[in-house]
Amino acid sequence: SQQGEEDPQALSIQEGENATMNCSYKTSINNLQWYRQNSGRGLVHLILIRSNEREKHSGRLRVTLDTSKKSSSLLITASRAADTASYFCATDSYQAGTALIFGKGTTLSVSS
Amino acid sequence: NAGVTQTPKFRVLKTGQSMTLLCAQDMNHEYMYWYRQDPGMGLRLIHYSVGEGTTAKGEVPDGYNVSRLKKQNFLLGLESAAPSQTSVYFCASRFNGFNQPQHFGDGTRLSIL
Repeated sequence: SQQGEEDPQALSIQEGENATMNCSYKTSINNLQWYRQNSGRGLVHLILIRSNEREKHSGRLRVTLDTSKKSSSLLITASRAADTASYFCATDSYQAGTALIFGKGTTLSVSS
Repeated sequence: NAGVTQTPKFRVLKTGQSMTLLCAQDMNHEYMYWYRQDPGMGLRLIHYSVGEGTTAKGEVPDGYNVSRLKKQNFLLGLESAAPSQTSVYFCASRFNGFNQPQHFGDGTRLSIL
């Protein structure tokens, strides 16, 4: 069963705008990861945030983690058409063994 | 450095046929995984392996078998394909333990008629 649930399911914005996606999960985690999937391709790792971290940056990406609320957010600033993709959060926990558990994803569409 | 390579990329089968999907990684990763991705369902774990010669069941293992005879290869078998197994199958690998990203192949698109 899915551990992470992304919100919203779909998001449409204009180029230059910021995009925020949220992820909620159910059990305690070791870390949380975000992935991007372009149409017809495999998932690509974007960023990993450990359970003892609250915020992490990578280029135009900003991820926050609130373990008390069991939630995370991914912010993409100054979106580009090339950011159009599906974005998935995945949780990494001892309870799941070695496998990541993925949410159902947010589909982001950035129009120029 | 190819990363994770899946073969074939596309396949159409008839109900009851069998086939094997191959995943190969050249990163010397210990852990390998097979997922299926269906519309609106995200990725669901089928089977995984934590090292050569080991396999374990994931969330949706029924109807599939796997083998990890060599560290770099992870095979997913369908003994008797069913239309419910129509899906996109992804293989992934990662180095070991936690706090490591997974690396994905580009998937195999499988249709069962």
